[in-house]
Amino acid sequence: GAGVSQSPSNKVTEKGKDVELRCDPISGHTALYWYRQSLGQGLEFLIYFQGNSAPDKSGLPSDRFSAERTGGSVSTLTIQRTQQEDSAVYLCASSPDGEVNSPLHFGNGTRLTVT
Amino acid sequence: AQSVTQLDSQVPVFEEAPVELRCNYSSSVSVYLFWYVQYPNQGLQLLLKYLSGSTLVESINGFEAEFNKSQTSFHLRKPSVHISDTAEYFCAVSFISHMRFGAGTRLTVKP
Repeated sequence: GAGVSQSPSNKVTEKGKDVELRCDPISGHTALYWYRQSLGQGLEFLIYFQGNSAPDKSGLPSDRFSAERTGGSVSTLTIQRTQQEDSAVYLCASSPDGEVNSPLHFGNGTRLTVT
Repeated sequence: AQSVTQLDSQVPVFEEAPVELRCNYSSSVSVYLFWYVQYPNQGLQLLLKYLSGSTLVESINGFEAEFNKSQTSFHLRKPSVHISDTAEYFCAVSFISHMRFGAGTRLTVKP
């Protein structure tokens, strides 16, 4: 079946512009995660959605970052007034139930470059 | 606070040599442990996981990892690597609401 789909795969934007990154999780997966992968930094947790519960936003680095998940499926990560330090690969992952023993299924990521 | 440390950022080895990628974690509660692999220009894929039971877990492509509770480690090993094993490997610890990842180890297998 289809895996986690992210779009666009690459995004180049000018400093100060807003960007939206999209994630389509695996159908039926109730949990959705956003991570940021920077060179040499590993994966940094950003936000977690589980069903209809309030999202865990504890990893968002600043108030310029926000995310929503509509209808329990597609998610959009929005970065306002982008800065050069926002350049990274943004990864989306989903899991069937959000349980801590459930592996994550990752998309291929969106590579964001802020010039 | 929980954390994951991968002790080596890069590991170069020759083909058919053994390799060990080290991972240590800190946690005051029980955890579940995972290794993910990211091949060049691809997304992360689950390699293997420890949830409970036998402390030695194996993957289908010859990797194994051993959970050592006393040393809080989950090192990844393979007795003989192939060129195709060249990738970045991430150790991850899962607890509470989300998975926490190490900084990654880039394994480069040379002919």
